[in-house]
Amino acid sequence: DAKTTQPTSMDCAEGRAANLPCNHSTISGNEYVYWYRQIHSQGPQYIIHGLKNNETNEMASLIITEDRKSSTLILPHATLRDTAVYYCIVRVTTSGTYKYIFGTGTRLKVLA
Amino acid sequence: EAGVVQSPRYKIIEKKQPVAFWCNPISGHNTLYWYRQNLGQGPELLIRYENEEAVDDSQLPKDRFSAERLKGVDSTLKIQPAELGDSAVYLCASSSGPGTEAFFGQGTRLTVV
Repeated sequence: DAKTTQPTSMDCAEGRAANLPCNHSTISGNEYVYWYRQIHSQGPQYIIHGLKNNETNEMASLIITEDRKSSTLILPHATLRDTAVYYCIVRVTTSGTYKYIFGTGTRLKVLA
Repeated sequence: EAGVVQSPRYKIIEKKQPVAFWCNPISGHNTLYWYRQNLGQGPELLIRYENEEAVDDSQLPKDRFSAERLKGVDSTLKIQPAELGDSAVYLCASSSGPGTEAFFGQGTRLTVV
């Protein structure tokens, strides 16, 4: 019952910006959007999260549309080490507890 | 600072045998999660702890799976008996509180033959 939809795979040239889209049309007002990535044979790694406003940190930028039904993760200068599966996650609140529901993610391949 | 530590890294067992996975969360993190990740899929939550209390175990198959977090620090996930369909990567994660980002361990890859 993933609440997000992402493309299965994307390619990006090294040094270029990677823009990874995510649809979360059923998101509720108090639910955050989180992004994680998973490099082969490792556990997921936190990237960024947001509620309404755009966010930026040392790894990436998160652009959330005004209606909050979709978002885009931007890796400004992709490197080969950014090749991974990227998960867009809606943090669901149920009965006062939080649950991170992963989808199948986008497999990003950065090409030399 | 050490991250989330899991052991073993890999485990191969025959079906119907028991197996246990161990997780040491980041120091001071009260929230601990166990996830299962099947090949080609995203992680699925099995159970979540706040300190020593299991606050969400709705996805844990209770007929064969059990978990504990004694003293609210380390945690153990057990399967008894294991089935072929239990082959997956079992991930542990921790966070400093219920609303903060989770940090994941490298996982335990279980193969049931």
